[in-house]
Order: sequence, then C-alpha cells, then structure tokens
Amino acid sequence: EVQLVQSGAEVKKPGESLRISCKASGYTFTTYWIGWVRQMPGKGLEWMGIIYPADSDTRYSPSFQGQVTISADTSITTAYLQWSGLKASDTAMYYCVAVIGGEGYWGQGTLVTVSS
Amino acid sequence: EIVMTQSPATLSVSPGERATLSCRASQSVGTNLAWYQQKPGQAPRLLIYYVSTRATGIPARFSGSGSGTEFTLTISSLQSEDFAVYYCQQYSDWPPRWTFGQGTKVEIK
Repeated sequence: EVQLVQSGAEVKKPGESLRISCKASGYTFTTYWIGWVRQMPGKGLEWMGIIYPADSDTRYSPSFQGQVTISADTSITTAYLQWSGLKASDTAMYYCVAVIGGEGYWGQGTLVTVSS
Repeated sequence: EIVMTQSPATLSVSPGERATLSCRASQSVGTNLAWYQQKPGQAPRLLIYYVSTRATGIPARFSGSGSGTEFTLTISSLQSEDFAVYYCQQYSDWPPRWTFGQGTKVEIK
C-alpha cells in the first residue's frame, strides 16, 4: 500500500528556516516523481515543484523558483521541502504528492504557520 | 507553463441532479488529466485519473471524459456527500510539470 506520511505542524517566526518532510513507502521511491503542493487558507491547490529521487532532477513552478528548495534522500525514502527565510505569506497547508501510474497519492498535509 | 481553467467557479445543484464540470488546458495534455474532490479540512481525494479511469473505491456516478485540451467531470446523480470543491490537474510527462485548475465548488441549490 502506497503511503506518504508528512511531518507535523510547525509554528515559526518570519525569517526563520524550516524543512518539512514526507516519508514514502509501499512503492519504489526512486522510480516516480514526487512533488509538493501548497494550499493557502481558503484557497486552491498550487503546484510548487517536483523531484525525481533517482537523480534529484528537480523542476519548480515559476511561482516558487528561488523561494523554496525541494530535495530527497533515497536512503530513507523521504522527500523534503525547505525554506531559508519564512514569510507570513508562507502560512499554508503543504501536501506531498506522488503520481504512480497516473494515480496521485497524497500525504496528510503539514500546516505551516508563520507569525511574529 | 500549461494553464488549467475550470468552469464554472460555483455550481448550484439539487440532490439527485446531474452535475457537469469543465476543465480546459491551454495546450494539449494528452491523457495526463486527473480530477480531485476536496472537502473542508481534508486532503484532496483522487476521483479520476488518465481522463476517465475511476480511482479505487470511487462510485460509478463519477465519470470523466475528454481529450487534448477539453475535459469534463460528470456526477450523474448528486448525493449529499458530493458537495465539495473539485479540482482538475494535469501531470505532463515531459517536461515534467503539474498544474491545477482553480477549482469548482459544487453547492446545494
């Protein structure tokens, strides 16, 4: 059974750094793209970027290029989403998603709150 | 970048009626098109992938159709649990890009 389990909710101050994680299981982690999706409060789904764990090929949505870093550790089948300087506007729910044979498998979401 | 446009933004439907949701891509996405349902406080739930394949456990009242740039999600007879927001998503193979539509809210009339 494919499972994506994300790290817990975070509360941070503006300017702080953060890395959230997505632990994958039930499929060959290196074989499929895994991505991150943002959902701001009361808003729609926004694709942030995807990574191919086998070679770390990473593609970002133009809206998020330079704003976040996506990475993966194949030894522990985990994908990461990282910020080096959070802003209040980064407050959102973040989902990891793997598309396997056309089917999207989603993590449960990580709520990130940035507030002074 | 491929832009996905959904219409209408809001659809008011009575229980038991048919609902038709549209999704248009700015360029062809082939068959790499999925539909999701999202209820408040929940992660999106996959309904349809590869345009018309129902995901495991999805009732037959949900169906997808279309090709190239025009796609449709049809809910044949709306049940109370179907009132939610629906998103289409393209997941092109190369270059690898994903994009979501802005969503259609299906509300009770």
